[in-house]
Amino acid sequence: KAGVTQTPRYLIKTRGQQVTLSCSPISGHRSVSWYQQTPGQGLQFLFEYFSETQRNKGNFPGRFSGRQFSNSRSEMNVSTLELGDSALYLCASSLDGARISGNTIYFGEGSWLTVV
Amino acid sequence: GDSVTQMEGPVTLSEEAFLTINCTYTATGYPSLFWYVQYPGEGLQLLLKATKADDKGSNKGFEATYRKETTSFHLEKGSVQVSDSAVYFCALSETSGSRLTFGEGTQLTVNP
Repeated sequence: KAGVTQTPRYLIKTRGQQVTLSCSPISGHRSVSWYQQTPGQGLQFLFEYFSETQRNKGNFPGRFSGRQFSNSRSEMNVSTLELGDSALYLCASSLDGARISGNTIYFGEGSWLTVV
Repeated sequence: GDSVTQMEGPVTLSEEAFLTINCTYTATGYPSLFWYVQYPGEGLQLLLKATKADDKGSNKGFEATYRKETTSFHLEKGSVQVSDSAVYFCALSETSGSRLTFGEGTQLTVNP
């Protein structure tokens, strides 16, 4: 079956602009989460959505937001971009989170964002 | 809060050598533990997982045992291959849902 699909794969934005990234989870998966990966900070959790509701949120400023649609597809938005927002943004999906025994979290290949 | 500490890298080995990547964690409850692997230019792939103490996760020759007494989840492989060259991440999840806390990652390079 198709894996987690993220679009776009690469993008370049200017400081002050805003960006929207899209994620299509594996069919049947209801949980979608987002992570930011940078060389300096590593992998950091942004937020998780389950059945269109934000279930968990990481420690990021309000410029970072997300949403989930009824078909489980998710978008994340970053407003007023800063140079430090340059990163790989990874989307992950699962049936219902990591705590369920036998459940697996699958990651997409990510969206590379460069802010200039 | 929760945290994961991995051995510092990078790690360079010859093909067929034994691999150990250390991982220790701090958590207030009883987390699930994971190892993920990231190949260049790709996302993360789940390598193995363990959901309770003394569980052993295994996949593709890699193994890790959930040790509650030492709060550890060390990754091992008896004989590495060049194709194992990648970055390896240890992670935990304590809360319900998909919030993973990752370690810093360990770059492994295997030379022929």
